[in-house]
Amino acid sequence: DTAVSQTPKYLVTQMGNDKSIKCEQNLGHDTMYWYKQDSKKFLKIMFSYNNKELIINETVPNRFSPKSPDKAHLNLHINSLELGDSAVYFCASSQDSRLDTQYFGPGTRLTVL
Amino acid sequence: DQQVKQNSPSLSVQEGRISILNCDYTNSMFDYFLWYKKYPAEGPTFLISISSIKDKNEDGRFTVFLNKSAKHLSLHIVPSQPGDSAVYFCAASLGNAGNMLTFGGGTRLMVKP
Repeated sequence: DTAVSQTPKYLVTQMGNDKSIKCEQNLGHDTMYWYKQDSKKFLKIMFSYNNKELIINETVPNRFSPKSPDKAHLNLHINSLELGDSAVYFCASSQDSRLDTQYFGPGTRLTVL
Repeated sequence: DQQVKQNSPSLSVQEGRISILNCDYTNSMFDYFLWYKKYPAEGPTFLISISSIKDKNEDGRFTVFLNKSAKHLSLHIVPSQPGDSAVYFCAASLGNAGNMLTFGGGTRLMVKP
């Protein structure tokens, strides 16, 4: 009964490929997020999304795009992968509240060769 | 430019003693602060939060203190237990649309038996 789950846990791929990471939450939350933890262990927000709006961190390349088939899912699509995309990607969710606590998934370690 | 900083990358404490983890921020518009705990190969787990209208919030062994004038918050763990050994991240939110968190770089806490 995992609250926020991600698949796959590990993803190894070649430069230039297109890949997706899936995220699902069973908490009934309205807002979902994607974070990137780089090699220096800094966690940085990439996207915040609910059914009303998508907010994008301006530093995120447009090769990254979130797609939400329904309220419980927010998948991360990455086109034309680059070496610098190697990182751990975390999905999170919260109620649709301005100051609400976010609950994180276990992370997906992406390695681009 | 890091808006949230944790200047101590690591901290070692004896079991039963107090652990004090510190966090500084530069953006005076932050109005909600959180602490997360992270074990290896897992996602961050929410610990405790504090609104900018308060200066202290307590939950069991965990207390967060906020000093707005100094733009400083701290997490106190009393008494420390070996199971508390993990990386602790402080995070801040502007409380605006999107509820996007800005994280510090983390402090690795080691509690020795």
